[in-house]
Amino acid sequence: DTEVTQTPKHLVMGMTNKKSLKCEQHMGHRAMYWYKQKAKKPPELMFVYSYEKLSINESVPSRFSPECPNSSLLNLHLHALQPEDSALYLCASSQVDLVVYNEQFFGPGTRLTVL
Amino acid sequence: KNEVEQSPQNLTAQEGEFITINCSYSVGISALHWLQQHPGGGIVSLFMLSSGKKKHGRLIATINIQEKHSSLHITASHPRDSAVYICAVKEETSGSRLTFGEGTQLTVNP
Repeated sequence: DTEVTQTPKHLVMGMTNKKSLKCEQHMGHRAMYWYKQKAKKPPELMFVYSYEKLSINESVPSRFSPECPNSSLLNLHLHALQPEDSALYLCASSQVDLVVYNEQFFGPGTRLTVL
Repeated sequence: KNEVEQSPQNLTAQEGEFITINCSYSVGISALHWLQQHPGGGIVSLFMLSSGKKKHGRLIATINIQEKHSSLHITASHPRDSAVYICAVKEETSGSRLTFGEGTQLTVNP
């Protein structure tokens, strides 16, 4: 299995809602990433988990809350979002190696619209 | 100035044409990705390079570390190649972060 899966594909939510995005991989990768991508722009890194521990938080607002419950699963909990948070949210995974850079594999993304 | 510059920003070609997309970077890197993104979202990793040349089907990627430059070539282009192509580099000192170019929108007309 060489795939990163993300659910849901599309999500529409109001500013007072709480929702979660889910990402799963079964490649044995121990690094997982959340990216945010606005239209016609490259992805922006939000969070990195390494061995299920948060290793990078790119100063993301607290209304985004990541969680890595096990080595295959990565969640992004959303609460009190703003319309400007509407974007494509991409998950990626890779092997972890402190010496060699390992290729990141991307999921298909969740298209989020905040009303 | 971006650390990763791609050219052209937009490219329109006729089916069958040979296509080249360029990527220049200004930092020391340990690897360079070429990524493909179709309308509607998901990103597919086409190549990861740290030296030389790689080929996969009709796609060829080259990198010149001394000149800090990489090219992605598509031979015998096809309308299904229409997508955004993104160059991303792993800087030597940036942990697991990738630095992305702005992307090249390719349209191949039948």
